[in-house]
Amino acid sequence: EPEVTQTPSHQVTQMGQEVILRCVPISNHLYFYWYRQILGQKVEFLVSFYNNEISEKSEIFDDQFSVERPDGSNFTLKIRSTKLEDSAMYFCASSAGGASYNEQFFGPGTRLTVL
Amino acid sequence: ILNVEQSPQSLHVQEGDSTNFTCSFPSSNFYALHWYRWETAKSPEALFVMTLNGDEKKKGRISATLNTKEGYSYLYIKGSQPEDSATYLCASGYSTLTFGKGTMLLVSP
Repeated sequence: EPEVTQTPSHQVTQMGQEVILRCVPISNHLYFYWYRQILGQKVEFLVSFYNNEISEKSEIFDDQFSVERPDGSNFTLKIRSTKLEDSAMYFCASSAGGASYNEQFFGPGTRLTVL
Repeated sequence: ILNVEQSPQSLHVQEGDSTNFTCSFPSSNFYALHWYRWETAKSPEALFVMTLNGDEKKKGRISATLNTKEGYSYLYIKGSQPEDSATYLCASGYSTLTFGKGTMLLVSP
């Protein structure tokens, strides 16, 4: 069964460093998302991406964040200068359509720890 | 801003017990309600997507109902098994999902 994959599973970085989190969405999906969950809190939406551009972004997704689909398979989230409060589990998701009834398929997450 | 709430926060039942949890969401501007099952170190797995008031969906021993007029959904598990132990998340929204905090279910043998 097709699945969303994410690498690495765990990333440890120093404050101020850049990190790139990678995702391979399901191959025929067109809509891509990043969410994150800070420990003990709700899963929060960061950004959605369609047709090679950002469709929506939350207040969390400031200038420190960027997304890219560098080739036909990868979807990346870059954090330019990490802060302690960026420590969280980052989930990538993809869906075939962008409507409310379309199922979003999630990857297993990347746990980011900023020291 | 959507506010999605889930209760209880955690639940511990014995194998064979039936159980249910609640997800509440704003009834205005409702689009869809998603239920996910999330085991530690695995991907959240989609259980149901529900859109219509009165919807009832079933997958094996798990079922869900939806009341969009009063803004709640129930998830039921009949005859819980240890492998049902997981966090159950609900989320609502149009294309971007707003999640509740989840209900952590532990089923003891």
